[in-house]
Amino acid sequence: LAKTTQPISMDSYEGQEVNITCSHNNIATNDYITWYQQFPSQGPRFIIQGYKTKVTNEVASLFIPADRKSSTLSLPRVSLSDTAVYYCLVGDSRMDSSYKLIFGSGTRLLVRP
Amino acid sequence: EAQVTQNPRYLITVTGKKLTVTCSQNMNHEYMSWYRQDPGLGLRQIYYSMNVEVTDKGDVPEGYKVSRKEKRNFPLILESPSPNQTSLYFCASSFDGQVSNQPQHFGDGTRLSIL
Repeated sequence: LAKTTQPISMDSYEGQEVNITCSHNNIATNDYITWYQQFPSQGPRFIIQGYKTKVTNEVASLFIPADRKSSTLSLPRVSLSDTAVYYCLVGDSRMDSSYKLIFGSGTRLLVRP
Repeated sequence: EAQVTQNPRYLITVTGKKLTVTCSQNMNHEYMSWYRQDPGLGLRQIYYSMNVEVTDKGDVPEGYKVSRKEKRNFPLILESPSPNQTSLYFCASSFDGQVSNQPQHFGDGTRLSIL
């Protein structure tokens, strides 16, 4: 049974780099790791996705070690508008061949001026 | 504009009164899903659908029903709502059933209060 673990909250200041780590010990061989951002009263919004090593896009980087049991979302030079909840998502292949998506509990990032 | 639309956005109702939350997507996506979000528990999957007429249970399906008669629509049905179903609900869609490697597009949410 896959389970993801993230820090409950993190604080940062504008202009700093923020790294949020997610643990997923039982990730399936074919699963990707996906991160979402959620603002109050809105649905989650896709940020980045990766399978292994490093992925970078215009808003974030994702680092995945060789064993894939964890991943780190890196937000460069955060601003106040990056204050949100960040979710790590992996799949969960069950013994009965069902497949469910598992969200982590989320990390509440607060960016201070 | 590509979007997932949920209705209603807010609803207050009473125990036992059947209700339906509609979800529609305009991206021709095969995969659709419902989640509920509760404080401290993050998002939990209720039901999902890999395509028309194909649905399956997520992690918390008790007390809910879904149907997928058309590709674009995926309504969530509460036949006999109870107070423990008071929550914030999200519908999502993605291109196909390879959901592990496909971004999901989420609606803006429906806040249900069951008295």
